[in-house]
Amino acid sequence: GENVEQHPSTLSVQEGDSAVIKCTYSDSASNYFPWYKQELGKRPQLIIDIRSNVGEKKDQRIAVTLNKTAKHFSLHITETQPEDSAVYFCASSTGNQFYFGTGTSLTVIP
Amino acid sequence: DAGITQSPRHKVTETGTPVTLRCHQTENHRYMYWYRQDPGHGLRLIHYSYGVKDTDKGEVSDGYSVSRSKTEDFLLTLESATSSQTSVYFCAISETDYEQYFGPGTRLTVT
Repeated sequence: GENVEQHPSTLSVQEGDSAVIKCTYSDSASNYFPWYKQELGKRPQLIIDIRSNVGEKKDQRIAVTLNKTAKHFSLHITETQPEDSAVYFCASSTGNQFYFGTGTSLTVIP
Repeated sequence: DAGITQSPRHKVTETGTPVTLRCHQTENHRYMYWYRQDPGHGLRLIHYSYGVKDTDKGEVSDGYSVSRSKTEDFLLTLESATSSQTSVYFCAISETDYEQYFGPGTRLTVT
């Protein structure tokens, strides 16, 4: 089956700096790559996603890039704020079956 | 949040007892999923459904069964709970096989 690896597992940044989280996948048939944010004790929430026919997608301070050749995709958060502190999960899917990374705990230091 | 509820929200049970978790949606979405979340493992798919009475196995289906007799309800059953099934269980729904939206979760402890 698919194998999704996510790095780093923890990340601390100063408020206002950028944060980058990277994921790799193994199944070349994967065609959908969502990112989820999960605050402590809460449900995962979809924050941005990208499909395999697109190389980059941006939504305000959040962007995702996809390199299909290298089988990796990344989440970029600019101008980080304390409320960005959470665990972020990447995932890949070929349709129906979703495989998640193990998460990145992001701390934004005021 | 999408109209998804899970019940119960917390449950403590003993090893060997059967347990059923319920996911209910009001969005009329076609796809429903059950995941478990454990430290160091992220979210892992247990079973999913692509329509009434249509289900399939996920990555970690052993020891679990599911049923979907109505569009709005997706049940997860642990026939004989074990301590290794202590986890947080999330239900998710999606209209297509892309964007998934998660329920609030059920914390299950098997003693």
